[in-house]
Amino acid sequence: QVQLVQSGAGVKKPGASMKVSCKASGYTFTAYYIHWVRQAPGQGLEWMGWINPKSGATKYAQKFQGRVTLTRDTSISTVFMEMTRLTSDDTALYYCAREIFDMDVWGQGTTVTVSS
Amino acid sequence: QAGLTQPPSVSEGLRQIATLTCTGNNNNVGDQGAAWLQQHQGHPPKLLSYRNNNRPSGISERFSASRSGNTASLTITGLQPEDETDYYCSAWDSSLSAWVFGGGTKLTVL
Repeated sequence: QVQLVQSGAGVKKPGASMKVSCKASGYTFTAYYIHWVRQAPGQGLEWMGWINPKSGATKYAQKFQGRVTLTRDTSISTVFMEMTRLTSDDTALYYCAREIFDMDVWGQGTTVTVSS
Repeated sequence: QAGLTQPPSVSEGLRQIATLTCTGNNNNVGDQGAAWLQQHQGHPPKLLSYRNNNRPSGISERFSASRSGNTASLTITGLQPEDETDYYCSAWDSSLSAWVFGGGTKLTVL
């Protein structure tokens, strides 16, 4: 079946970087964009950016420009989201989601806690 | 970045009809419509309706979406206890070149 499986939860110190993976299966990896969306505790959804797995082209929300990098490895049908200079405000649940017109399949989410 | 506007909470009775709204502008909802997502606590969002108001496979006919101008609506008929959860709308904003979400509506089934 179609699914996106994300890497496990992590705890990071302020100023550190994090890298979360999102492995796709059950469909043609290069046919759908992959988005990253985060959700702070008790808050709503916040779009971070997308990557076109076929070309590698990316688009980031203005808020995350320069701090988030999306990459992909087509050989393993996996997208990576790296975020640098972490602060406590980055403590959140991070989701990947595929999209061809709307975000129709979501990963299970990866909890990232930023704490000293 | 500016998001879409949703009422924080809506309450309706069991087996009744709930209508959730999502207001944007000409660059997002008014342009290509809004998708609707349902999210239960501890779970990822689930797509209920595409921006063209079509339902994905497997989504109950009790959920229907529509749009009038810059406001999108999700109507849930025959409310069930399991419908009590959070609902989000999303849209592509052509002016911002970004996806935007509503703040979410918590639906309570009385």
